[in-house]
Amino acid sequence: GAVVSQHPSWVICKSGTSVKIECRSLDFQATTMFWYRQFPKQSLMLMATSNEGSKATYEQGVEKDKFLINHASLTLSTLTVTSAHPEDSSFYICSARDYKNTGELFFGEGSRLTVL
Amino acid sequence: ELKVEQNPLFLSMQEGKNYTIYCNYSTTSDRLYWYRQDPGKSLESLFVLLSNGAVKQEGRLMASLDTKARLSTLHITAAVHDLSATYFCAVDISGSRLTFGEGTQLTVNP
Repeated sequence: GAVVSQHPSWVICKSGTSVKIECRSLDFQATTMFWYRQFPKQSLMLMATSNEGSKATYEQGVEKDKFLINHASLTLSTLTVTSAHPEDSSFYICSARDYKNTGELFFGEGSRLTVL
Repeated sequence: ELKVEQNPLFLSMQEGKNYTIYCNYSTTSDRLYWYRQDPGKSLESLFVLLSNGAVKQEGRLMASLDTKARLSTLHITAAVHDLSATYFCAVDISGSRLTFGEGTQLTVNP
């Protein structure tokens, strides 16, 4: 089946630095990808919808200047956490839907960010 | 605003027993998903339920959907330790985005 791949799987960075997370659809084109954040022992919360070739749509309460999303191609979306702080430490998961074929939604493996 | 509520949030059960996890949602939906998440891992898709009355089974898990009641259930039959995980339901509105329930943390004790 279709696969969505995230990179890196985990990253540790210093406070104040920026971190980029990549989300790739490996065998289908994804015009839309979704970025979720999950804190320990909590559910997934949608952060933003990434649209190929246009601006991302952010959920209420998510700072668009802090969480930069770029969806430059049909197979790649990136999430950059700018000026990261310890409270940004979380598990970030992307998903993409294979609209052309089954419409099925696939999730990436997740990226665990720890900000020291 | 769509709300998705799962019950129970924590479940500890013995091997061999049966139990049901409930997922209520507040508005009309196109489809409902069930996922499994192991610690430190991403989501594993279990079931996609597309219509009223849909029932799907895989091994010891069976999911059903009642769109009129806005209720989905995940039934566990003769639980085994390997089923220990967190289970999420998620509701899909207009094929665009998922809203997740709080999750049910299941522990199956030998």
